[in-house]
Amino acid sequence: NAGVTQTPKFQVLKTGQSMTLQCAQDMNHEYMSWYRQDPGMGLRLIHYSVGAGITDQGEVPNGYNVSRSTTEDFPLRLLSAAPSQTSVYFCASSYSITPNTEAFFGQGTRLTVV
Amino acid sequence: GQQVMQIPQYQHVQEGEDFTTYCNSSTTLSNIQWYKQRPGGHPVFLIQLVKSGEVKKQKRLTFQFGEAKKNSSLHITATQTTDVGTYFCAGDRGSTLGRLYFGRGTQLTVWP
Repeated sequence: NAGVTQTPKFQVLKTGQSMTLQCAQDMNHEYMSWYRQDPGMGLRLIHYSVGAGITDQGEVPNGYNVSRSTTEDFPLRLLSAAPSQTSVYFCASSYSITPNTEAFFGQGTRLTVV
Repeated sequence: GQQVMQIPQYQHVQEGEDFTTYCNSSTTLSNIQWYKQRPGGHPVFLIQLVKSGEVKKQKRLTFQFGEAKKNSSLHITATQTTDVGTYFCAGDRGSTLGRLYFGRGTQLTVWP
């Protein structure tokens, strides 16, 4: 099992560019989520999905879009990158949400917007 | 605003000293999880507490869930350099399906 795979690991964007961060899991988990991690801020939830075709906003959704067309994939799209979106992005998945079970995190994508 | 408060933000200890990090929520949690993130790494699940007053141990790590299910702690006995990293708690408030509220983490440094 590969677990949760994120690509790319590193990315530099210019302000205004768009891009998609990829996330795939091979554990047949229903619940997937995206977090951003900034120094001293912990992990903040961007968007999450409780199953294919279902997504919802988290704490900091502005500037990001998601879709969940399959159970395995949960891409995060940056519509028009801004320097404030410089961060480390983590995708996570878990088997159950009622009750919550262990979340498996990807290796992260380190994004710099210049 | 911050749903789950975690303190301290930083802790520097000499190897062999004990370490404790605390989490507090303003609302009752259905369960709480703890994660460890090594420098440059990703969060890795340590444990989940579900019952009021629950205490669980993993070798030198002791996890507690408060009686009111609003607070939790992680205590490490006799720290080692391998304990270095950031420890996060994550609470499930039960009201929004599947959503975990992460504390800001405690960054532990262990001096040899």
